[in-house]
Parts: sequence; C-alpha cells; structure tokens
Amino acid sequence: KAGVTQTPRYLIKTRGQQVTLSCSPISGHRSVSWYQQTPGQGLQFLFEYFSETQRNKGNFPGRFSGRQFSNSRSEMNVSTLELGDSALYLCASSEDPNTEAFFGQGTRLTVV
Amino acid sequence: AQSVSQHNHHVILSEAASLELGCNYSYGGTVNLFWYVQYPGQHLQLLLKYFSGDPLVKGIKGFEAEFIKSKFSFNLRKPSVQWSDTAEYFCAVNEVTGGGNKLTFGTGTQLKVEL
Repeated sequence: KAGVTQTPRYLIKTRGQQVTLSCSPISGHRSVSWYQQTPGQGLQFLFEYFSETQRNKGNFPGRFSGRQFSNSRSEMNVSTLELGDSALYLCASSEDPNTEAFFGQGTRLTVV
Repeated sequence: AQSVSQHNHHVILSEAASLELGCNYSYGGTVNLFWYVQYPGQHLQLLLKYFSGDPLVKGIKGFEAEFIKSKFSFNLRKPSVQWSDTAEYFCAVNEVTGGGNKLTFGTGTQLKVEL
C-alpha cells in the first residue's frame, strides 16, 4: 500500500497570502488528521476529519481550516499568513478513530 | 487539558548501551499510547503502540515499552542501542473518548548514539 502522500513538499509564501495543502491518506483509511510541527511548540494537533466531518479541533485560530472529500483526501487552508505560521505541516491517516495514525512526509511552509 | 511529558530532551549514548526514555501523561481516563520515531530527514514512524492487554508491548527494531497505569507512564526501552537508532523520539497519547484521533505529543527526545 502506498503511504500518506502530502503535496506540495515545500512552499514559500508571503505574509498575508493564503495557502492550501493537500493530503492523500492510505487507501481505505477514513480518518485524516493534521498537525503543525515547529521547533518551539513541537507537534500540535490542528484538526481531524472522519467521513467528511470534522470530529476534533485543536487550539488554532480560525485562519486554519480544513475539509475532507468523499474519497477521504483532505486539504487544509491557512488564510492571511503570518510569519509564525512557518512550520512543517503533517498529515496522518488511520483506518478509523482510535487506531494508530500513519504520518506523511509533511509540507514545509515558509512565510516571508 | 491533557499533557505529555518527556523528561529527557537530549540523550547521548554509546553503541550497545541500554536506553530508557521516560514518558508521563496527565489524562486520567482511558488512553491509547504510542511511541513514534523521526529519523533525520524522514517522516514520523510508529515504533509501538498500547491499546489494552499486556502492559509490556514490543515494537519494531527491538524497542519495547511498559505501560504503568498507576504512574501514568509509558517508558520506552531498548537493551542495546545501535548507531542507526540516532533519531528523535516522541511519546503520544490519544484519549479514548469516542471522539476520534487527537494525539497529544510530548516535546520529543533527541537521541544520539556514538560509535
């Protein structure tokens, strides 16, 4: 089985712009969750989707949003980018909630 | 709010030394517990997991972990480390609330194994 695929791998954006990141889960996995990884804050949960519904949300501002499509692929969007949004954004998929999550390589976002 | 503590931030060992990395969590309810590893330049990989049953779980590459419910701990061990174990190790906890996957991670332990 192919692993979790995230695109693009690298992004450079300017402050104030918006960005959309994509995640294709492992085939058959219906739960997709997103995490932000920074040197200062570590790994922080953003949100989780299951069967196109957001089930959990972390403590991030409303500029961070996501969605899941009927084929389980997911996107996350960050609007009005700030310098502090520079991070590695990780997507993880699992067969269903409360099973182990498998992570993708991440998208490295740099905001300048 | 739930929290996960990893007390060792940087560990340096010689090859063949034994390893124990501490992990404590704060949530009092039912949890699923994980250790993930991130090798340089690679993605997070699952080392081992605990859902229920035998509190001593074995994972890949000779790693094991013991869940001690009374101490809210899930420490990672390996009897003899190798240079290739150099990586960052993360403990993670998921509350079993029926609400899905929401991992809380520790801050990570950077392990360096010297030849």
